[in-house]
Amino acid sequence: DIQMTQSPSALSASLGDRVTITCRASQSIGSYLHWYQQKSGKAPKLLIYAATTLQSGVPSRFSGSGSGTDYTLTISSLQREDFATYYCQQTYSSPRTFGPGTKVEIK
Amino acid sequence: EVQLVESGGGLVRPGGSLRLSCEASGFTFTRYAMNWVRQAPGKGLEWVSAISIGSVSTYYADSAKGRFTISRDNSKNTLYLQMSGLRAEDTAVYYCAKEGEAAGLDHWGQGALVTVSS
Repeated sequence: DIQMTQSPSALSASLGDRVTITCRASQSIGSYLHWYQQKSGKAPKLLIYAATTLQSGVPSRFSGSGSGTDYTLTISSLQREDFATYYCQQTYSSPRTFGPGTKVEIK
Repeated sequence: EVQLVESGGGLVRPGGSLRLSCEASGFTFTRYAMNWVRQAPGKGLEWVSAISIGSVSTYYADSAKGRFTISRDNSKNTLYLQMSGLRAEDTAVYYCAKEGEAAGLDHWGQGALVTVSS
């Protein structure tokens, strides 16, 4: 099974900050890597699919990069509505594992 | 508008069974693979199972193998998760989700709470 790790597990940031979250797979996953945002009590929302493609309707301040085993989600200028938990997921092979999540909090 | 509506959650005793349903609308159900993902209280997301378009292929997390069965009825636009041998650690909100590009999950239901307790 492919293991997914995320760093940091939590971060505090201010409005307008640039935020970077990293996801690492235990083996190469060929860009079959997706990022989700989840707010408290709500279903997750797809932000980025296939490592770099912005899902329709998602603000352009979100971007994804990476390849092989290492991937990054960047929020260029943090907005109030971005405070949430972010998860990566690989769909390169089954089981299609999620990372443990990164909670973004207000500083 | 894509809509996924789960039902069938509830309280069940350890060792019991439950079937979750997910009714889909707003898209051509027969053209997309579907998934179940769960989230235990206060915990992260855990992928549970997936089924291909024509039910040819099914996939399971180790935690679900041998106890859970995913299926779909394309005539009813409905996804199912049959769960048996339930354990306390299966307590979670269960989400159904539609696959999009590269199997990213582009639409999710609101979730169904399953509580396994005596």
